[in-house]
Amino acid sequence: EAQVTQNPRYLITVTGKKLTVTCSQNMNHEYMSWYRQDPGLGLRQIYYSMNVEVTDKGDVPEGYKVSRKEKRNFPLILESPSPNQTSLYFCASRQGNEKLFFGSGTQLSVL
Amino acid sequence: GQNIDQPTEMTATEGAIVQINCTYQTSGFNGLFWYQQHAGEAPTFLSYNVLDGLEEKGRFSSFLSRSKGYSYLLLKELQMKDSASYLCAVVGWSNYQLIWGAGTKLIIKP
Repeated sequence: EAQVTQNPRYLITVTGKKLTVTCSQNMNHEYMSWYRQDPGLGLRQIYYSMNVEVTDKGDVPEGYKVSRKEKRNFPLILESPSPNQTSLYFCASRQGNEKLFFGSGTQLSVL
Repeated sequence: GQNIDQPTEMTATEGAIVQINCTYQTSGFNGLFWYQQHAGEAPTFLSYNVLDGLEEKGRFSSFLSRSKGYSYLLLKELQMKDSASYLCAVVGWSNYQLIWGAGTKLIIKP
């Protein structure tokens, strides 16, 4: 089954403790992206990747890192999380002009 | 600049019809997506319009007018499960640039 797998689904952490949210897709998509979603603001792009070893900043990249060492994986790294990074995060992938496939989301709370 | 406008919230009655509008101003256009999102869940694909006109898919239809920078999503025979947010997204200058609206929260009343 074609899917984007994102883990964990829920995460509570404390300020400054490094964390990684994993994302994997099984559709051989070239394009992958991370979004955060906050009430009233819609989906905001954090980082995206056009292919292996090719990443670029989205609209809100501060405080985040990504890597794309393999085509299927695109982890999101928060080196030193802060409370303003409390949000709902989505990983997504796409190929050409096909629809965007989303992971199930990660609800992150930074205390 | 790039801008997509949708109403923040709409209310409709079960069994009725509702139209959710989306207007856009973008530097490029390669298509427009509509997604449905239930609270706390991932967006799910509803439609993708590239050419002008109406596309019907069961109870849902989507319309696009590129010259007017306008699209709408039409939901017929509303059901309680249609209570959700509806997201409009424009594919910009490349296939990989998506610009998202803030979404329209649709509330269905019995």
